Amino acid sequence: DQQVKQNSPSLSVQEGRISILNCDYTNSMFDYFLWYKKYPAEGPTFLISISSIKDKNEDGRFTVFLNKSAKHLSLHIVPSQPGDSAVYFCAAETSGYALNFGKGTSLLVTP
Amino acid sequence: DTEVTQTPKHLVMGMTNKKSLKCEQHMGHRAMYWYKQKAKKPPELMFVYSYEKLSINESVPSRFSPECPNSSLLNLHLHALQPEDSALYLCASSQPGRGSGNTIYFGEGSWLTVV
Repeated sequence: DQQVKQNSPSLSVQEGRISILNCDYTNSMFDYFLWYKKYPAEGPTFLISISSIKDKNEDGRFTVFLNKSAKHLSLHIVPSQPGDSAVYFCAAETSGYALNFGKGTSLLVTP
Repeated sequence: DTEVTQTPKHLVMGMTNKKSLKCEQHMGHRAMYWYKQKAKKPPELMFVYSYEKLSINESVPSRFSPECPNSSLLNLHLHALQPEDSALYLCASSQPGRGSGNTIYFGEGSWLTVV
């Protein structure tokens, strides 16, 4: 049962524009959400996170928005750069242990 | 320093071999994890160690045997694996317990091929 869903398997954005990656979850007990970026043949790299007590967290070009009532979060990358091309995983946790991952969204930023 | 180091990066083993994957972190984290990732799939949790004790085993077959010799090291011993066990094995670490600071950091993974 997939508790974290990324419904867009892929996304293509032009360099300089905004990339918006979406994530939905079903478990209302999730209280911490993370985004990981993964290049082929490498482990996931932590990107940004947000606690359920916040609705926005920003770090440079990356902003994560959380809408608890809709059980939805999104990652905004602006401006997008070709080096941002990777697979982005949304993840959520409850107990401080096991991360529940979405299936990932493959982002392609074109020049 | 948010580095989790895994060795070897690539491993090819026969179904009768015994091998080990190793993981090391020096961030002072007291929770360490093994995840398995197949192509085009998200990572799947295998084991969690908290304070050097096995706290979660996600019904992993006994041909995978984890070991946590100390707070910085985590091993995954492999024996009598099947070709379908071929995957990227990811080690990760974090501080244990609840809280918004419990970010999990991953190593680069060990690519395992079982022939």
